[in-house]
Amino acid sequence: GAGVSQSPSNKVTEKGKDVELRCDPISGHTALYWYRQSLGQGLEFLIYFQGNSAPDKSGLPSDRFSAERTGGSVSTLTIQRTQQEDSAVYLCASSPKLAGTGELFFGEGSRLTVL
Amino acid sequence: AQSVSQHNHHVILSEAASLELGCNYSYGGTVNLFWYVQYPGQHLQLLLKYFSGDPLVKGIKGFEAEFIKSKFSFNLRKPSVQWSDTAEYFCAVRNDYKLSFGAGTTVTVRA
Repeated sequence: GAGVSQSPSNKVTEKGKDVELRCDPISGHTALYWYRQSLGQGLEFLIYFQGNSAPDKSGLPSDRFSAERTGGSVSTLTIQRTQQEDSAVYLCASSPKLAGTGELFFGEGSRLTVL
Repeated sequence: AQSVSQHNHHVILSEAASLELGCNYSYGGTVNLFWYVQYPGQHLQLLLKYFSGDPLVKGIKGFEAEFIKSKFSFNLRKPSVQWSDTAEYFCAVRNDYKLSFGAGTTVTVRA
């Protein structure tokens, strides 16, 4: 597609349930990122993919969070046993370059609400 | 670890007023600097970026930013704002593959 696509756009779940968030990056972009945006907190880096591998998972807040990427394209962020503090907007971004000066292209985000 | 500080949490101003948003970063090496904007209900999009060369960078919609290396700053400016500039603005610094963002500044422009 023309831009980064994320689904669902909104997800309401009960505490303790698992959720999956999907990201479809811009075609041909090798780098993919997940960020979390909480009110007043800015954007918090979660994980970075280059191709299908994740050389930097340092931002994942706990072992309840995991992510994978397949075929060098679609990525899924999974949150197990959700907690109320997981409520946030989860943003996906992609970039055509591993390093250098390329900008990130963002999706519209998945808003997660944990009741 | 590098960090990005944005000085203002919320700025309210009238149309035609001038805007300046402060941004400081802590990293001392070679950096690439960005300002992103998020209009209500829309995704983050790039306003402007600095890689090297002229420290005064021009972006879209009349925005500009000045990189002052000695002050570790990259402040965003617009001489005359419009109601449509109401948005959240994020400063970011890139080191290698990762972008680190500030907490954002909400700008409200009153008609």
